Amino acid sequence: KNEVEQSPQNLTAQEGEFITINCSYSVGISALHWLQQHPGGGIVSLFMLSSGKKKHGRLIATINIQEKHSSLHITASHPRDSAVYICAVSLDTGNQFYFGTGTSLTVIP
Amino acid sequence: DTGVSQDPRHKITKRGQNVTFRCDPISEHNRLYWYRQTLGQGPEFLTYFQNEAQLEKSRLLSDRFSAERPKGSFSTLEIQRTEQGDSAMYLCASSLAYRPSQNEQFFGPGTRLTVL
Repeated sequence: KNEVEQSPQNLTAQEGEFITINCSYSVGISALHWLQQHPGGGIVSLFMLSSGKKKHGRLIATINIQEKHSSLHITASHPRDSAVYICAVSLDTGNQFYFGTGTSLTVIP
Repeated sequence: DTGVSQDPRHKITKRGQNVTFRCDPISEHNRLYWYRQTLGQGPEFLTYFQNEAQLEKSRLLSDRFSAERPKGSFSTLEIQRTEQGDSAMYLCASSLAYRPSQNEQFFGPGTRLTVL
């Protein structure tokens, strides 16, 4: 049983499309994190949120604590957005992350 | 560059050999984490340090694995008698957190291990 589930696993989009990646979790959390991983391995933190909504450029992250669900949206997608997007949660104890398996996004010009 | 660094970036070894990886966290960060990531999967927690104390270890961390953070700064992860199943990306992350809500982790570039 995985504490964090993401969907879809793979996503291909045309440049300019609006993209949504979903994340559901089954444990009590202190925060949810959206991470971006490019080929080669490096992981960059995009958002950390515990309620509501955050926006950074073309990226928007929302979380519904009652439903234990979060979404990452990318507006006006671009080929440089192609990466693996990983949802992770930190628990109330805050000692470690639990990760989803990631969503591999490919944006075609 | 003041981010998290890891060395080496790539390691190829033969089965049965020992390997050691190093992680240098962001200097003021008190927490350091090791994760393992296999192809197509999300990272999995291995172990965690607060300063020099190793506070938590995953069941994934068999007795062939050992991690240290002797002075509360850099950390090493050693794998003894490597097996082909150890082939993975080993990720290090650090954070400065006194409350769970502050636990934003900053990741290093990873060390990719290939065991032949």
